Amino acid sequence: ETGVTQSPTHLIKTRGQQVTLRCSSQSGHNTVSWYQQALGQGPQFIFQYYREEENGRGNFPPRFSGLQFPNYSSELNVNALELDDSALYLCASSSGTAQLYGYTFGSGTRLTVV
Amino acid sequence: QQQVKQSPQSLIVQKGGIPIINCAYENTAFDYFPWYQQFPGKGPALLIAIRPDVSEKKEGRFTISFNKSAKQFSLHIMDSQPGDSATYFCAASLSGAGSYQLTFGKGTKLSVIP
Repeated sequence: ETGVTQSPTHLIKTRGQQVTLRCSSQSGHNTVSWYQQALGQGPQFIFQYYREEENGRGNFPPRFSGLQFPNYSSELNVNALELDDSALYLCASSSGTAQLYGYTFGSGTRLTVV
Repeated sequence: QQQVKQSPQSLIVQKGGIPIINCAYENTAFDYFPWYQQFPGKGPALLIAIRPDVSEKKEGRFTISFNKSAKQFSLHIMDSQPGDSATYFCAASLSGAGSYQLTFGKGTKLSVIP
């Protein structure tokens, strides 16, 4: 059984650019959530995807968007990058949208915006 | 507005000591309180969790104490070991929402000295 895999592990982008981060969910998991973890902070919920639809969103602007594919993998897209977008982006998969299913987190993508 | 406040920010204990990490929450609708452990370069991993109808829960060397009236909960690590050195996050969520999302504290960096 594989865990949650995220790619790339690190990347550097310039302010104003766009970035796409990828996540492969754990086998058997159909729900993907994305979190942003700034340095020295706890993760903050961005959004959750279930059956290829966004079904919950945190306090993030529309330039943060996502996709979920039929194989349950997911992408996080961020447009018009700002310096404050520099953070560790965590993907978490689960076998349902409810609290009782819990999460399995990936190791994250470290994004640096310069 | 930070809904889950965590303290201390960092903690150093000797091997065998009992570090205690405290969290306070504001939203009385929260009904699930997990603790996560995060090692450098890794995503958070679920350690132990509690619901507000229970005042204490033990799993191995880890204990959660919960005080519903004070809206506080804490993590105790018995017989701490150098391998416990990590960042610990408390979190909270509420059931019945359309999506499962966690509100995290800012984290406590624990160092266990041999």
